[in-house]
Amino acid sequence: GAGVSQSPRYKVTKRGQDVALRCDPISGHVSLYWYRQALGQGPEFLTYFNYEAQQDKSGLPNDRFSAERPEGSISTLTIQRTEQRDSAMYRCASSLARGVRDTQYFGPGTRLTVL
Amino acid sequence: QKEVEQDPGPLSVPEGAIVSLNCTYSNSAFQYFMWYRQYSRKGPELLMYTYSSGNKEDGRFTAQVDKSSKYISLFIRDSQPSDSATYLCAILNAGNNRKLIWGLGTSLAVNP
Repeated sequence: GAGVSQSPRYKVTKRGQDVALRCDPISGHVSLYWYRQALGQGPEFLTYFNYEAQQDKSGLPNDRFSAERPEGSISTLTIQRTEQRDSAMYRCASSLARGVRDTQYFGPGTRLTVL
Repeated sequence: QKEVEQDPGPLSVPEGAIVSLNCTYSNSAFQYFMWYRQYSRKGPELLMYTYSSGNKEDGRFTAQVDKSSKYISLFIRDSQPSDSATYLCAILNAGNNRKLIWGLGTSLAVNP
């Protein structure tokens, strides 16, 4: 596709429900990153993948958060038993290759609101 | 102490002004320094990337790195209203850790 896409763009859920956020990276991009961004803050790293392999999940806040990228393309970030503190903008980014200097292209984000 | 410190502003300047945006960092192992621009309701987009100390220029934008002071800057010359956005510094450690460490972002408004 032309850019990184994310769905849904907005998600409102009740506390305790599970949510799944989807990221569709730019075609051919090897690396995929998940970030969380609170209003007025810089992005907070959650996890990233090279192809289908999860390379670093140290930013996931707790075990309610998980991510997968089973075929090395689309990725899903799942939050189980959501809590109000999970409300934030969740952003996905992808980069072409694995070089440290490769540009990360960001998607529009999913705004999650937990009531 | 945070690994990357950035004054969130907001910064408001008249059109045509020179803008200086800054970040400081704590880890001398950091080697890759980036500036991202984020418009309202959009994702960050890469503006400038530098590796070593010194200046790098791209049009009206100049990125400066001073590793001895652990200080990075972004200068915008002849600022335009279209430059109004949040500017985020992001720093990458060397080695296998690909995790970008982000500043809070500085909100800039350029007034016509």
